[in-house]
Amino acid sequence: QQQVKQSPQSLIVQKGGISIINCAYENTAFDYFPWYQQFPGKGPALLIAIRPDVSEKKEGRFTISFNKSAKQFSLHIMDSQPGDSATYFCAASNFPGNTGKLIFGQGTTLQVKP
Amino acid sequence: DGGITQSPKYLFRKEGQNVTLSCEQNLNHDAMYWYRQDPGQGLRLIYYSQIVNDFQKGDIAEGYSVSREKKESFPLTVTSAQKNPTAFYLCASSILGVKTQYFGPGTRLLVL
Repeated sequence: QQQVKQSPQSLIVQKGGISIINCAYENTAFDYFPWYQQFPGKGPALLIAIRPDVSEKKEGRFTISFNKSAKQFSLHIMDSQPGDSATYFCAASNFPGNTGKLIFGQGTTLQVKP
Repeated sequence: DGGITQSPKYLFRKEGQNVTLSCEQNLNHDAMYWYRQDPGQGLRLIYYSQIVNDFQKGDIAEGYSVSREKKESFPLTVTSAQKNPTAFYLCASSILGVKTQYFGPGTRLLVL
């Protein structure tokens, strides 16, 4: 119930292509869905986040699509660049009292080939 | 510059030894978190704290201990009871009531 399942585990995309990473959840009480980007040897950095009352959110080349009925959300990276090569994590949160606890997906390693 | 600092960057532990990882933040955040990251796995919550002198166990607290004596500091001790301590340890913080977490650069713990 508290899991977030992320796929694919790894992804190779050509420069200029679209990278798509998917996440699925079971707990309908989740109310916050962030995506984090992590470069090797560094801490994750917040990329973009969405709440379930919105079906899509776009920031630059990064878009989150949210399907409440299917309990799925995805990250789209348009015009993928070699500098986007990193590990991406989806997460979800609903914990009472706004404790801020996050449940993370397993991560997707993205490689963008020049 | 506001942010989260973790030290050391690399830490080596001998068998039966306790080691302490440092996490300091100057963001004035109330909540702080410790995560463990293993290759091919997501981040797993070890401990978290919402206020000074109070903390709660996360999903994998066994073999770890924490303290929160100051708002800006949340050190993690990996005890000898943690049989598989080799991992990348990440500290994070957030404003209480806001779910966005900010992460430090991490400490890689290796066993000699």
